Amino acid sequence: RKEVEQDPGPFNVPEGATVAFNCTYSNSASQSFFWYRQDCRKEPKLLMSVYSSGNEDGRFTAQLNRASQYISLLIRDSKLSDSATYLCVVLTGTGGFKTIFGAGTRLFVKA
Amino acid sequence: NAGVTQTPKFQVLKTGQSMTLQCAQDMNHNSMYWYRQDPGMGLRLIYYSASEGTTDKGEVPNGYNVSRLNKREFSLRLESAAPSQTSVYFCASSEDKGAPYTEAFFGQGTRLTVV
Repeated sequence: RKEVEQDPGPFNVPEGATVAFNCTYSNSASQSFFWYRQDCRKEPKLLMSVYSSGNEDGRFTAQLNRASQYISLLIRDSKLSDSATYLCVVLTGTGGFKTIFGAGTRLFVKA
Repeated sequence: NAGVTQTPKFQVLKTGQSMTLQCAQDMNHNSMYWYRQDPGMGLRLIYYSASEGTTDKGEVPNGYNVSRLNKREFSLRLESAAPSQTSVYFCASSEDKGAPYTEAFFGQGTRLTVV
């Protein structure tokens, strides 16, 4: 079993739709969680951190469920420009750290 | 703002050839990383360096060596390239030094093909 698993998609949604991605992680001692965005043939860039209490940034909402060991990303009112691959990132470790990237979920937003 | 700069952007090697991927960051970050990205596999950590003069193995270090030349530069060397090393390589850096992970900034990637 992979340490971080994501549904690879692709998710095909119309503009204006709401779409949600989930990501599960296997190590219960994982400490920090993030969502990165990667456009086609580009480098990943931080979208948002995921806090225990949940957090929102405009149309994007991230949630963490430690009991079930998953994080989620909700995108409301999807835009064409949201088309990208969304990477779940989990940080695990004590003393040092181990950063684990999920394989990513592809999103296509259609006009 | 240059951020993280990787060279080259593209490279084709023959099996058995060697090469070094260069990476430099101008953000005064402590930590630097090398990842490879393959279809369906996500980003996998090859090596990382938590500070100047230190390096540690990541998830997939076999076939690679690294050198943290100074705080700015972190190079990745393939001594004898193999087709299995065909991939997109990303260098990244972050501020953290023994602290909770902070945002990682990535270079634009190197597309390497080994034939």
